[in-house]
Amino acid sequence: SQTIHQWPATLVQPVGSPLSLECTVEGTSNPNLYWYRQAAGRGLQLLFYSVGIGQISSEVPQNLSASRPQDRQFILSSKKLLLSDSGFYLCAWNLFGVHTEAFFGQGTRLTVV
Amino acid sequence: GDSVTQMEGPVTLSEEAFLTINCTYTATGYPSLFWYVQYPGEGLQLLLKATKADDKGSNKGFEATYRKETTSFHLEKGSVQVSDSAVYFCALSASASGAGSYQLTFGKGTKLSVIP
Repeated sequence: SQTIHQWPATLVQPVGSPLSLECTVEGTSNPNLYWYRQAAGRGLQLLFYSVGIGQISSEVPQNLSASRPQDRQFILSSKKLLLSDSGFYLCAWNLFGVHTEAFFGQGTRLTVV
Repeated sequence: GDSVTQMEGPVTLSEEAFLTINCTYTATGYPSLFWYVQYPGEGLQLLLKATKADDKGSNKGFEATYRKETTSFHLEKGSVQVSDSAVYFCALSASASGAGSYQLTFGKGTKLSVIP
């Protein structure tokens, strides 16, 4: 069966420090991969999606970047965190097709102080 | 672009009450529609889905019908329980132009609290 792992679960980082969140998927090949951010009291904002290794699309301009070095690995990074980067970050995957649902990781609670 | 609008929360109900959470959408083409549930501190889980007009998705006593004429996908449950307390997200899946993938677009979520 397919599983998705996302870590760490919680993270407290000072302003200006770097960030690296990792997500891996098991049990499937060539998934579409997604990073979402959920700010307090707000909905889910799509940050990045990837349809293949090295292929990253960004939905909104921001202080973050994403990379996909392997088929089932998706990394969210920042060189210098801002206070506004605080939030709940969710990784997700699905397979190609309009009818396929997405499967989500457990999320990372990032607090920038 | 595609969008999903769902009723503002929070919603507070007594146990065994009837639940409706409204969801409407705008999209080009023929999207698939989903309801996800998020329990505190966790990721999202698929609750139900519908892939074409007039389809009814159902799971754990929850139901939603894909209404193309009203572009709606309202979530209903006849008798809620305390364990149903969570945030509920309506979502649609549509083609991302030029990307070869299908993106999920989410509503802002509706927080449901069920009290004994």
